[in-house]
Amino acid sequence: DAKTTQPPSMDCAEGRAANLPCNHSTISGNEYVYWYRQIHSQGPQYIIHGLKNNETNEMASLIITEDRKSSTLILPHATLRDTAVYYCIVGAGYNQGGKLIFGQGTELSVKP
Amino acid sequence: ETGVTQSPTHLIKTRGQQVTLRCSSQSGHNTVSWYQQALGQGPQFIFQYYREEENGRGNFPPRFSGLQFPNYSSELNVNALELDDSALYLCASSLVGQSNGYTFGSGTRLTVV
Repeated sequence: DAKTTQPPSMDCAEGRAANLPCNHSTISGNEYVYWYRQIHSQGPQYIIHGLKNNETNEMASLIITEDRKSSTLILPHATLRDTAVYYCIVGAGYNQGGKLIFGQGTELSVKP
Repeated sequence: ETGVTQSPTHLIKTRGQQVTLRCSSQSGHNTVSWYQQALGQGPQFIFQYYREEENGRGNFPPRFSGLQFPNYSSELNVNALELDDSALYLCASSLVGQSNGYTFGSGTRLTVV
């Protein structure tokens, strides 16, 4: 079973920041938080991951609470192309060949 | 660099038949994983291969089997197809130790009738 809880759906206005929350209260000390998204009819796309510290890349920012029980994915300026299902996943690091356990994800709709 | 490619993109099979799906890993990657995604659900992990051996398996019966070849390409074989096997089958590759996540293909849509 997935170790994360996400809202099933969210709306965001184009150009505004999209903040997608995720709860992972049972995360273990060596487990990472990963975010993927899946645009309709395509395979999931890696966005970002982190262990303890906040992370930022060209796609998004990841904010992880100090107790690591929750996190937020931030898309700073959402566009219509960001409409997708976003998955928050907790698992072992890639150097351990960890599998990904997907939950239901959050369906983000970016509206004009 | 090339991404992950899967073939075929769509397939229709009859219940009881066998099917083989193929995946070419992203250049430089050495692990491959397979996922099943039913309509409206998140992908479910089937198994992962590393160095041509199964390196982890999800809750799928033995009629789901796989292979990884020396060039890191892979096959997923499903025997005795059931109607519930209808799904999108996704292949994902990665390089052990890398930090950029798994690269997924666009999948094979299998319909069992």
